[in-house]
Amino acid sequence: DTEVTQTPKHLVMGMTNKKSLKCEQHMGHRAMYWYKQKAKKPPELMFVYSYEKLSINESVPSRFSPECPNSSLLNLHLHALQPEDSALYLCASSPGLAGSSTDTQYFGPGTRLTVL
Amino acid sequence: DAKTTQPPSMDCAEGRAANLPCNHSTISGNEYVYWYRQIHSQGPQYIIHGLKNNETNEMASLIITEDRKSSTLILPHATLRDTAVYYCIVRAPKGDYGQNFVFGPGTRLSVLP
Repeated sequence: DTEVTQTPKHLVMGMTNKKSLKCEQHMGHRAMYWYKQKAKKPPELMFVYSYEKLSINESVPSRFSPECPNSSLLNLHLHALQPEDSALYLCASSPGLAGSSTDTQYFGPGTRLTVL
Repeated sequence: DAKTTQPPSMDCAEGRAANLPCNHSTISGNEYVYWYRQIHSQGPQYIIHGLKNNETNEMASLIITEDRKSSTLILPHATLRDTAVYYCIVRAPKGDYGQNFVFGPGTRLSVLP
């Protein structure tokens, strides 16, 4: 099973709202990722969590706040977003390299976010 | 920046083999070649990866040239459901989980009836 689930599938929010995106995997993966994908563009990495600790923040504005409550869950808290933040937000997970020379990422279906 | 170049678009007739090229002329010795695809508005789907030997799985075959500067993803019998953007990515094992995936623009494959 290589399933990563994301909720909600669609989200519409105003610029003053606070909302959260959720991601879950039960594959025992130790690395989890958030990507942002604008229309007709490739995905771009936002954050990486490795062993439940934030490992990479690709200079993402503070209005995006990631959280990894445990090894299976990854949240992205949203506050005071701008219309240009409207995008598909993708979560991914990977096993980690321990014991292997490769590490394949598996993606969820994404959350389509619209900021009004 | 992505380390690969791919044609922006390709067409393929349904039932025929789709051959998607990727150039990675600056690939390092420890970098793997990965292929993903993204069907409209869905998350990217892992297809296959390899280092230097040709690889085959239930979805596709990956042919890597001997000098490793280019590769070809082969979908042996394309169907309409294979219409998607195909991404070729090179990355090396590093740290706990490998180098970041850097997606380029990819190739938009259209399978035609």
